[in-house]
Amino acid sequence: DIQMTQSPSSLSVSLGDNVTFTCEASENIYGFLAWYQQKLGKAPKLLIYGATNLEDGVPTRFSGSGSWTNYSLTISSLEPEDIATYYCQNNHVYPDTFGAGTKLELK
Amino acid sequence: EVQLQQSGPELQRPGASVKLSCKASGYTFTEYYMYWVKQRPKQGLELIGRIDPEDCSTDYVEKFKNKATLTADTSSNTAYMQLSSLTSEDTATYFCARSEFGSHYFDYWGQGVMVTVSS
Repeated sequence: DIQMTQSPSSLSVSLGDNVTFTCEASENIYGFLAWYQQKLGKAPKLLIYGATNLEDGVPTRFSGSGSWTNYSLTISSLEPEDIATYYCQNNHVYPDTFGAGTKLELK
Repeated sequence: EVQLQQSGPELQRPGASVKLSCKASGYTFTEYYMYWVKQRPKQGLELIGRIDPEDCSTDYVEKFKNKATLTADTSSNTAYMQLSSLTSEDTATYFCARSEFGSHYFDYWGQGVMVTVSS
């Protein structure tokens, strides 16, 4: 199975910050990567698929980049509603493994 | 509007089995995989497996092969997951999520169902 490693596991942030966190796959996943946002007590929500494609309705302050094994999610000018845990997911081959998540916390 | 409506919370004794449901609406049920995902309290997301409702073929993550059984009923557009021989390790929230064939990403999720295993 492909292993997905996210870093950091947690990040202390301030509103208005530009925030970037990363996801590394154990092998090339050819850009088949998704990012999800999960707020406390809620189901995950798809933000980005295909490493760079914004899901309909997702604010444009979210952006994804990367290729081969290394990917990142950037949030520009952090809003209060962005405080959540973010997961990456391999979409190249089954099983569609998740990273362990990056939790954003307010300073 | 696409919706995945999951059944209500469960409290089960160790050793028991439980069957969870996920009723799909707003799309053609047989055109998407239905996946199931486990999330233990304060932990990350763990894939359990998936079912193709068209032919009920299934794929399981190895560690869940003897724990979870996935089924689907096209007459009611409902996917099911049965968990057997419950232990405290099965205490978790379980989500269903759909994925278009070939895409692998999960664009709609159920609200999740909490299963608590306790004597």
